[in-house]
Amino acid sequence: EAGVAQSPRYKIIEKRQSVAFWCNPISGHATLYWYQQILGQGPKLLIQFQNNGVVDDSQLPKDRFSAERLKGVDSTLKIQPAKLEDSAVYLCASSLAPGAYNEQFFGPGTRLTVL
Amino acid sequence: AQSVTQLDSQVPVFEEAPVELRCNYSSSVSVYLFWYVQYPNQGLQLLLKYLSGSTLVKGINGFEAEFNKSQTSFHLRKPSVHISDTAEYFCAVSEVGGSYIPTFGRGTSLIVHP
Repeated sequence: EAGVAQSPRYKIIEKRQSVAFWCNPISGHATLYWYQQILGQGPKLLIQFQNNGVVDDSQLPKDRFSAERLKGVDSTLKIQPAKLEDSAVYLCASSLAPGAYNEQFFGPGTRLTVL
Repeated sequence: AQSVTQLDSQVPVFEEAPVELRCNYSSSVSVYLFWYVQYPNQGLQLLLKYLSGSTLVKGINGFEAEFNKSQTSFHLRKPSVHISDTAEYFCAVSEVGGSYIPTFGRGTSLIVHP
């Protein structure tokens, strides 16, 4: 069974530029999560989707971050414009359904460096 | 709101020695508890979780953890580590009846020396 796929794996941009990350979850997983992991910290949830609807985006800086999952399968996360403090690893995860009894499977992440 | 404290940022240990990675949590309600491992340049992988029932939880790769409600702890243990266990370990908590989204600790870097 294929795991969660993310691309690109690495991205370097200048501040004020825009960037987009892509995630393809495990087939059949209805729930998709985007996390931000700053160096030296644990992951922090940015947004959670159930199929193509947003369940929780309370931690998403909506003035610069946006995310979509139009067909309820793959998802994109965009930052526009980027700031230095956005340098982090962006992890995508998926699960069959929401809830603690449904294991989240994580992708390898996209490491973003903002100069 | 819940929080997690991982008391050690780095734990060096020799191969075949036992190891304990400490985790304490804070919450006003019942919790679910998790341990994840992250190998270099990879995503997180679930090691084990406590949802209910027995307080001693066994996971993959020979790891186990014990939920201690009175001490609000969920320490991770392995009786004999291998070089391949070198990785970052994250403890996480989510509240029963809440959003189920885990709050992660800052992580503990386990470094296994030959």
